[in-house]
Amino acid sequence: LAKTTQPISMDSYEGQEVNITCSHNNIATNDYITWYQQFPSQGPRFIIQGYKTKVTNEVASLFIPADRKSSTLSLPRVSLSDTAVYYCLVGGSPGSARQLTFGSGTQLTVLP
Amino acid sequence: DGGITQSPKYLFRKEGQNVTLSCEQNLNHDAMYWYRQDPGQGLRLIYYSQIVNDFQKGDIAEGYSVSREKKESFPLTVTSAQKNPTAFYLCASSIITSGAEAFFGHGTRLTV
Repeated sequence: LAKTTQPISMDSYEGQEVNITCSHNNIATNDYITWYQQFPSQGPRFIIQGYKTKVTNEVASLFIPADRKSSTLSLPRVSLSDTAVYYCLVGGSPGSARQLTFGSGTQLTVLP
Repeated sequence: DGGITQSPKYLFRKEGQNVTLSCEQNLNHDAMYWYRQDPGQGLRLIYYSQIVNDFQKGDIAEGYSVSREKKESFPLTVTSAQKNPTAFYLCASSIITSGAEAFFGHGTRLTV
């Protein structure tokens, strides 16, 4: 399984754009990159997923360079409610139930 | 109302007792997972299952047992052999395909 490396913590202010980068140097050809958000005492929640280039949905964008050895989650104009832990996951090859291996995540704190 | 349900939300156990945590899903997902989360830490995989009557150990299976007699149910037993069982336990499910999104329950907080 591809190992991921993320910053342990990040601080931002309300209204700013936040970019969280994840390194995954040994990503496999069939692996997807998925980001989850977790609030205290709750289960993680899916944010966004991509395979290459750029993916955008209503809450975030995901940038993946051509070599796919890293990815960047971009949260536009964060608010206090975006304070949470963000996890980068790599995996999802067909037939693999072990696609959900979580690292330590990045604690994002949004300040007023 | 589709989703994944964990019960109970809070559980207290005396040392030496076995306890069983319930996880039920009505999403028709083939894969189910159990995770343990300690304060300030990421999620660690205990067991996972891709199909009824089959399951595999995750990274920290010692002291735990599971069963998968029905597609929609994946109970976790925390046995007396688990030396440090106090933690937040999360159950998840997903379909088995590339990069499938996982859905999590709200968790069970076990205190010994």
